[in-house]
Amino acid sequence: GAVVSQHPSRVICKSGTSVKIECRSLDFQATTMFWYRQFPKQSLMLMATSNEGSKATYEQGVEKDKFLINHASLTLSTLTVTSAHPEDSSFYICSARALGTENKPTDTQYFGPGTRLTVL
Amino acid sequence: RKEVEQDPGPFNVPEGATVAFNCTYSNSASQSFFWYRQDCRKEPKLLMSVYSSGNEDGRFTAQLNRASQYISLLIRDSKLSDSATYLCVTNDYKLSFGAGTTVTVRA
Repeated sequence: GAVVSQHPSRVICKSGTSVKIECRSLDFQATTMFWYRQFPKQSLMLMATSNEGSKATYEQGVEKDKFLINHASLTLSTLTVTSAHPEDSSFYICSARALGTENKPTDTQYFGPGTRLTVL
Repeated sequence: RKEVEQDPGPFNVPEGATVAFNCTYSNSASQSFFWYRQDCRKEPKLLMSVYSSGNEDGRFTAQLNRASQYISLLIRDSKLSDSATYLCVTNDYKLSFGAGTTVTVRA
């Protein structure tokens, strides 16, 4: 099946630093990738939709200047958490949408393994 | 009001038991529905899609009631490996996740 990777899997940083997370689709091209955040015992919350070659679309309440998204190619999207603070500590998960094919007509989202960010 | 609401559980059941739980969704325009499984500190993984007529995948049965806007999942003959959090997911132009129902199967 399709595979999506994320790097790094875990990061611990000091308050005020910026952290960059990469999301790659390994065996398919993804024009659309999604970034989610999940706090303990809560649901995944969509932060933004990343479209290759254009600006990301942010969900209400998500600061676009704090969470910078770049989708430079059909297989790579990056999320940069700028000037991270302890309240940004969370599990960040990306997903990539694989378009339907003749054999499998429905679009499918594949999730990366997630990045656990801890800001001290 | 949350878009997708689930009973958080936990549902603690012995091996071999049947366990069932529902979720409700608020957006009547939702087009498609899924159950995902999430293990502790891992990413969600698609368990099964939910079709209008109801569908079965091995020991798992999913039902959709559009009129009442709820989705159900039933697990028969529970295995220890079924212990996880089950996420109810709806899709219109984006996926909306419930907070999950935790199931623990004990030996």
